[in-house]
Amino acid sequence: GDSVTQMEGPVTLSEEAFLTINCTYTATGYPSLFWYVQYPGEGLQLLLKATKADDKGSNKGFEATYRKETTSFHLEKGSVQVSDSAVYFCALMDNTNAGKSTFGDGTTLTVKP
Amino acid sequence: DGGITQSPKYLFRKEGQNVTLSCEQNLNHDAMYWYRQDPGQGLRLIYYSQIVNDFQKGDIAEGYSVSREKKESFPLTVTSAQKNPTAFYLCASSIGFENEQFFGPGTRLTVL
Repeated sequence: GDSVTQMEGPVTLSEEAFLTINCTYTATGYPSLFWYVQYPGEGLQLLLKATKADDKGSNKGFEATYRKETTSFHLEKGSVQVSDSAVYFCALMDNTNAGKSTFGDGTTLTVKP
Repeated sequence: DGGITQSPKYLFRKEGQNVTLSCEQNLNHDAMYWYRQDPGQGLRLIYYSQIVNDFQKGDIAEGYSVSREKKESFPLTVTSAQKNPTAFYLCASSIGFENEQFFGPGTRLTVL
């Protein structure tokens, strides 16, 4: 079945540091890939997405590139802020498994001033 | 403003009681979903629905039930058969199965 593996957290960085959160996946079809962010006590918000190989999703300074050859979708940001502190989830939606998205376990990011 | 609402935000129940969690969306989305989130873990799919009057079991449907009588509403009932119901429950919707999901703010259920 489909699966998503994320880099284990927690991750603690100083403000303006470079961020990478690794995400790899296995899927039977040709999935769309997503990064969601969750702030304490809230639901998830879509951060960015990519629907096919070599696509780059970007939003609010975050980027991730769909790498089919390495089955990866790593999240990066060049300079993090305290306000980026949250839990980040990598997810896939396999078009051959309609209706079922698969989420990683989440990576907690804490950015210190 | 369009969005998804879940109520209540916090819910307390005694063991052995059924409880129903509300989820409403005004985004005109066809698909709706229920997830369970436990501390430090990802989301696990309970039930999902593509259209009115149709829904399918997800990965952990045992002890839960849903209905989809209206497009905008997808209530989840946590029954007394659910062995460990204390968790954070998230409702989501999407235009269709192939699109990204929009999430509600969640309901934290505590069974005493």
